[in-house]
Amino acid sequence: AQTVTQSQPEMSVQEAETVTLSCTYDTSESNYYLFWYKQPPSRQMILVIRQEAYKQQNATENRFSVNFQKAAKSFSLKISDSQLGDTAMYFCAFCNNNDMRFGAGTRLTVKP
Amino acid sequence: NAGVTQTPKFRILKIGQSMTLQCTQDMNHNYMYWYRQDPGMGLKLIYYSVGAGITDKGEVPNGYNVSRSTTEDFPLRLELAAPSQTSVYFCASSYPPGQAYEQYFGPGTRLTVT
Repeated sequence: AQTVTQSQPEMSVQEAETVTLSCTYDTSESNYYLFWYKQPPSRQMILVIRQEAYKQQNATENRFSVNFQKAAKSFSLKISDSQLGDTAMYFCAFCNNNDMRFGAGTRLTVKP
Repeated sequence: NAGVTQTPKFRILKIGQSMTLQCTQDMNHNYMYWYRQDPGMGLKLIYYSVGAGITDKGEVPNGYNVSRSTTEDFPLRLELAAPSQTSVYFCASSYPPGQAYEQYFGPGTRLTVT
C-alpha cells in the first residue's frame, strides 16, 4: 500500500522569508500524481500545486514550487516570500488509480 | 456555480443510530469521493465513484455505504454509528480521469458519535 510521510508536524517562518516543507512517499508504481493541499482554519481544502510523476520538470505556481526527486521518492514544497495568508495546514498527497493517500500534515505559521 | 455542497454541517449521533451525509456537485464532474479526517490527521479515502452507478472502496470503507444514482449526488450512509466514526467528512469531485486533476472539496461535515 502507498504511504505518505510528512516528518515536520509544525513549522514557522517569518513573513517574506522562504520555507520548505518535506514529504516522502512509498510506492512500487511508476505512474502516479503528487499534490500539495492547503487547509486554512476555515477547513476548506485548497490545491496548491500538482506534479505528474512522468514529468521530470518541477512544477511551479507563483510563489510555490516543488522539488520532486522520483528515485528518492521525495516531494518537498518551497514557499517563497511567505505571507500571513499562507498560515495553514499543508498536506502532501499521492494518487494512483484513484487511490488518494494523504500525509498527516504540517502546520505552518507565518509570523509578522 | 455552488461547487460541492455538503449537508449537514454538524451532527451529533448516538451510538447505533444511522444517518446519511449528503453531497451534491454542480460542475458535471464524473468523479466523486468521500474522505474522513480525524483530529490532527490527513484525509483518508472512504469510497469513490467514477460515474453514475459505479462505486468502489477506498482505504477505510468499513461501516459506510454509498450510492451514485445521478452525476450530481453522492450520499454517504452510516449504519450503526460507532464512536470511532467521530470525524470530519469531506466530499470531493473532479474531472476525468480523476486522479490527474484537482479535486474540488466541499466544506465538510463534523460528525460526533456519543
